[in-house]
Amino acid sequence: TQLLEQSPQFLSIQEGENLTVYCNSSSVFSSLQWYRQEPGEGPVLLVTVVTGGEVKKLKRLTFQFGDARKDSSLHITAAQPGDTGLYLCAGAGTSYDKVIFGPGTSLSVIP
Amino acid sequence: DAGITQSPRHKVTETGTPVTLRCHQTENHRYMYWYRQDPGHGLRLIHYSYGVKDTDKGEVSDGYSVSRSKTEDFLLTLESATSSQTSVYFCAISSSGRTERYFGPGTRLTVT
Repeated sequence: TQLLEQSPQFLSIQEGENLTVYCNSSSVFSSLQWYRQEPGEGPVLLVTVVTGGEVKKLKRLTFQFGDARKDSSLHITAAQPGDTGLYLCAGAGTSYDKVIFGPGTSLSVIP
Repeated sequence: DAGITQSPRHKVTETGTPVTLRCHQTENHRYMYWYRQDPGHGLRLIHYSYGVKDTDKGEVSDGYSVSRSKTEDFLLTLESATSSQTSVYFCAISSSGRTERYFGPGTRLTVT
């Protein structure tokens, strides 16, 4: 059974600080997505990474897929209150319809 | 934003009553999914559909059934609701061959 772990579970930081959250598994994934979910809403797709070692940037967010395609990280530079939310990673196995989600990292950015 | 709506958005029901949640999409995507989200568990797949009248079980399907009679609609039914089914339910869609999921706004269900 494939499992995804995310750390930390909770993170509270001041506006302007940098942070990194992690998504780890013992399984290899064909691709991995990151989502952000705000209270009372559904998750919204941020990015998909496919190639081992791949780095993608989305404004102040930097996503990296591990070389072995078992882990990923999300780095946020100069966090803003609008970054507050639940960050979920999701890994796809050998079949594109088999996607599993991690439990999420809840980020709170304090003004 | 993907055109996905869910109804109702909130529902309180009593143990033992049947409940049906509806998901409607305007994107003409082939795949539709029902997930539940609970603290500490993340999103868990209940059932999914890969076409009209084609459905399959996910990892937490016990106590749930689904139906898809049209491309745009995917229904989730709790035949006899239990307190353990209190949760937030999300519908999602994806296009063929893609792993990305596009989610609806969710339904908060409370079973008393």
